This record gives sequence, C-alpha cells and structure tokens, in this order.
Amino acid sequence: QKEVEQDPGPLSVPEGAIVSLNCTYSNSAFQYFMWYRQYSRKGPELLMYTYSSGNKEDGRFTAQVDKSSKYISLFIRDSQPSDSATYLCAMSASFNKFYFGSGTKLNVKP
Amino acid sequence: GAVVSQHPSWVICKSGTSVKIECRSLDFQATTMFWYRQFPKQSLMLMATSNEGSKATYEQGVEKDKFLINHASLTLSTLTVTSAHPEDSSFYICSAYGQHNEKLFFGSGTQLSVL
Repeated sequence: QKEVEQDPGPLSVPEGAIVSLNCTYSNSAFQYFMWYRQYSRKGPELLMYTYSSGNKEDGRFTAQVDKSSKYISLFIRDSQPSDSATYLCAMSASFNKFYFGSGTKLNVKP
Repeated sequence: GAVVSQHPSWVICKSGTSVKIECRSLDFQATTMFWYRQFPKQSLMLMATSNEGSKATYEQGVEKDKFLINHASLTLSTLTVTSAHPEDSSFYICSAYGQHNEKLFFGSGTQLSVL
C-alpha cells in the first residue's frame, strides 16, 4: 500500500465551479500537510500548509485535514482557467522525509 | 513565500559529458535539500536527501557515483549528472527546507536532454 493515495484524474470542471481535491494516507504519524500546484515543466508551488488537523483558508483556497480519517482535502472556489494544473498533496511526520501523492490533473474550462 | 532558485532551467548536452545543476535558497537557510526526478505525467521521484556539511543519502536504485550531490553551504546544493546518457534525460527538481520556516519549497526545475 502506498503511503499517500491521490486520484490522478484528470478532473475537468467549468469555470466558476468549486473543485474538491483529496488525498488519503496510511501513516498516522503524519502531522505536516501541504498542497502544491504544478504547471507543466515547472517546479511545484506551495499553495497551502497545515499543521495537524483543522481547516485553513487563503483566498479561494481552503485546506482541510481530518487526521481521524487520514484524509486531506483542497477546495478551490470560483475556479479559473488559470487554475488548470496538476495538484500534489504532500505530508510529513518530522520534516526529514516527505511523501507525495501522484498528483491530480485539473482542467478548468472557460 | 520563500524562494528557491534552480539553474539552469534547461540544458542540452552530448552523451558522455557531465552537467551541473544548482539549487539555491535565496532568503532562508536550507538545512536540508532534496533532489527529485520527474518523468512526463508522473509524480516526483526522490533521488537523494542532502544535509549541509554531510554526505547525501541516496534512495534505493539511485547511483551515487552517477548523480553527485554537494551541499557545501546552507544556501547551495548542486547535482552533477556525470557521464550523462540519453536515459538520464528527465526533469530534475530540487526542494529546500529550513528549520525556521517549517515548509518545503521547490525550485523551478531543470529539463535535461542528453543527445
């Protein structure tokens, strides 16, 4: 079983839709959770960082962590064509090693 | 957010030559840097972890004599692909972590093409 599972998509939505991206994990020791956005042939860009459980909001983005279910989510409100990219979840127990999902490819259609 | 600079963005080289890729943390001290390889439409594959002043720790299956990693200062790590071959063609990405910001930041990546 992989440490982190993420649906690869692709996920196609119309402009303005609410997007929900998710990852599940198996290691209960994970306590640092991150979401990255990666455009083609670019390095991943950090979007959201959450420590332990709870919600965090930044503009159109909301990250949720449910440690009891080992499940994290990223919500994008009012999605834009410029949000079209691959979204990677990442997590760590102690910052000496990071585990990444396989990435979900999102396409927001104008 | 913190900035990690990676150079060059792309490089084309002849088979048998060596290529050096630089990764710099511009506004924080990176105690740990990671090097990844990414194939098209695939996720990141960790190659090695380097801590400043010590030898890099390589993942299983990664040849340490082929992929030389140096982390000589708290702001600079380099990856040298020695005697490059066409199968080494790939997208290489570095990332850096600093103890005081508790976040992992990535460089912009380097596309290596070996002819």
